[in-house]
Amino acid sequence: GAVVSQHPSRVICKSGTSVKIECRSLDFQATTMFWYRQFPKKSLMLMATSNEGSKATYEQGVEKDKFLINHASLTLSTLTVTSAHPEDSSFYICSAEIGHRPDTQYFGPGTRLTVL
Amino acid sequence: GEDVEQSLFLSVREGDSSVINCTYTDSSSTYLYWYKQEPGAGLQLLTYIFSNMDMKQDQRLTVLLNKKDKHLSLRIADTQTGDSAIYFCAESEGNAGNMLTFGGGTRLMVKP
Repeated sequence: GAVVSQHPSRVICKSGTSVKIECRSLDFQATTMFWYRQFPKKSLMLMATSNEGSKATYEQGVEKDKFLINHASLTLSTLTVTSAHPEDSSFYICSAEIGHRPDTQYFGPGTRLTVL
Repeated sequence: GEDVEQSLFLSVREGDSSVINCTYTDSSSTYLYWYKQEPGAGLQLLTYIFSNMDMKQDQRLTVLLNKKDKHLSLRIADTQTGDSAIYFCAESEGNAGNMLTFGGGTRLMVKP
């Protein structure tokens, strides 16, 4: 089946630094990639939708200057958390979609970000 | 906006059936999904149902959809300890594969 990887799986950083998280579709080209944030014991909240070569579409309340998304190719999207603060600590999950079918959105394993 | 709600926790004994419930508010939901999340892992799609269906069965999994009441359920027959996980229902509207709106997740604990 289709595989989506995320790197790193865990990252601990100091407050004020920037952290980049990569999302790759390993064996397919993704038309669209999504970034979600999951709070402890809570649901996944969609942060943004990105298409290769165009600017990401951010959900209401998500700061685009804080969470920079670059969709460089059909197999790679990156999320950069700029000037991270402890409240940015969370589990970030990406997903990649092959086509517009209900069973073609595949999720990465997630990245646990801890900001000290 | 859309809202998807689930109960937080369910505990069953191994071999029993589990029923996880979900309600949603968006009338334009086209597809409804069930995902499984194991500890520290991403989400795995278990099954999905198109909004004009009322039931879908896939091996041990049965999805029931009551569109009038906007109620979705997932029944797991002969629940095993390996089924212990968090189960999320989600909906999307419009074209398939659009962005998903998730419920809060139901933690299923299976006792031996």
